[in-house]
Amino acid sequence: DAMVIQNPRYQVTQFGKPVTLSCSQTLNHNVMYWYQQKSSQAPKLLFHYYDKDFNNEADTPDNFQSRRPNTSFCFLDIRSPGLGDAAMYLCATSRDPLMRGNEQFFGPGTRLTVL
Amino acid sequence: GQQLNQSPQSMFIQEGEDVSMNCTSSSIFNTWLWYKQDPGEGPVLLIALYKAGELTSNGRLTAQFGITRKDSFLNISASIPSDVGIYFCAVSGGAQKLVFGQGTRLTINP
Repeated sequence: DAMVIQNPRYQVTQFGKPVTLSCSQTLNHNVMYWYQQKSSQAPKLLFHYYDKDFNNEADTPDNFQSRRPNTSFCFLDIRSPGLGDAAMYLCATSRDPLMRGNEQFFGPGTRLTVL
Repeated sequence: GQQLNQSPQSMFIQEGEDVSMNCTSSSIFNTWLWYKQDPGEGPVLLIALYKAGELTSNGRLTAQFGITRKDSFLNISASIPSDVGIYFCAVSGGAQKLVFGQGTRLTINP
């Protein structure tokens, strides 16, 4: 089945130790998103790629970076995790939004713990 | 910025009861989406609405896109334990982005 896959599902890191979360998709969608979600709040968009074009949200800290080496994969790098970065990180994809109303399909998420 | 007002924030119901939740906005949108999120999982798209006045069903779920294009509701009939979770409405906020409501947490007493 076509899907959005996130690895790992659970990640524990130490304060200040860089961590990378990965996302892959078999949907062949143009757009890939990274969200941060805390305490049953709505997901908060960090950034997204429209094909190779990177779009950062204005309030996303510099500590968060992303890479999209090809259509299928996208990575979230947290350079120096702080305790406040502990959260669920969600990856999502969508087709070219001009063709449809921007339905986004989410992966299962990675729960990040910072010690 | 664009905001959605989703209500209620939480619901505590008995198994078998019907559920209704809604989202409103001060702006007009052309797409309304409803997601469900189980604990520890990512949101799953339940229903997508593209036309004002549209009423769409997915099993026991029914959602409507308001005529004014500023609101939408989601109904769940005959709730069962697996309906527990958080339900989010969302609209297309431009530039490939979604704007989410605050979520409705549904708890079901057996």
